[in-house]
Amino acid sequence: GAVVSQHPSWVICKSGTSVKIECRSLDFQATTMFWYRQFPKQSLMLMATSNEGSKATYEQGVEKDKFLINHASLTLSTLTVTSAHPEDSSFYICSLRDPKYFGPGTRLTVL
Amino acid sequence: AQTVTQSQPEMSVQEAETVTLSCTYDTSESNYYLFWYKQPPSRQMILVIRQEAYKQQNATENRFSVNFQKAAKSFSLKISDSQLGDTAMYFCAFMNRGGSEKLVFGKGTKLTVNP
Repeated sequence: GAVVSQHPSWVICKSGTSVKIECRSLDFQATTMFWYRQFPKQSLMLMATSNEGSKATYEQGVEKDKFLINHASLTLSTLTVTSAHPEDSSFYICSLRDPKYFGPGTRLTVL
Repeated sequence: AQTVTQSQPEMSVQEAETVTLSCTYDTSESNYYLFWYKQPPSRQMILVIRQEAYKQQNATENRFSVNFQKAAKSFSLKISDSQLGDTAMYFCAFMNRGGSEKLVFGKGTKLTVNP
């Protein structure tokens, strides 16, 4: 069965609203999770490293105030896209520290 | 910074035949992992095969095998007896061992297996 879940799998929102995406580790305690973004027909780009109980570490060029990450428990990390705009439309994927385990992804469409 | 290059944007192969996907990488590190991932239309990332840089023996997983040339920084994936279900995007990825454990991905190769 799945080791990592994401919710929702697909979300459509209006421009200017905020959207929260959840990533859950179902079988393991995860002190570290990773968030990736994948634009259509492109590769995965690491956005940030989510650390349980501390601040996330963002990759260069990723706006930390726009992409808020909260890793409040050993099994849950959330990514909130604040004031979403159409250019934020993408596929967002989380993973555990073990590179074998990826979530199924969340498709975000901003109208 | 590490970079991963996949020079074949698209490839196709006939069912039951063999195909090789290319990947090169650039790093100054000596201890690292290399991976091949499959991303089918569902977009779920699936780990196909993993290679540890300090191991000279090429990794194999059933129909999937790699040709790891450390000096040349080359890491190709061979798929034998191709099946229709192998149709997917394939990504090569690098991870520095003992570091932040971040994955750096190549741009991917779209593989189509034709009946």
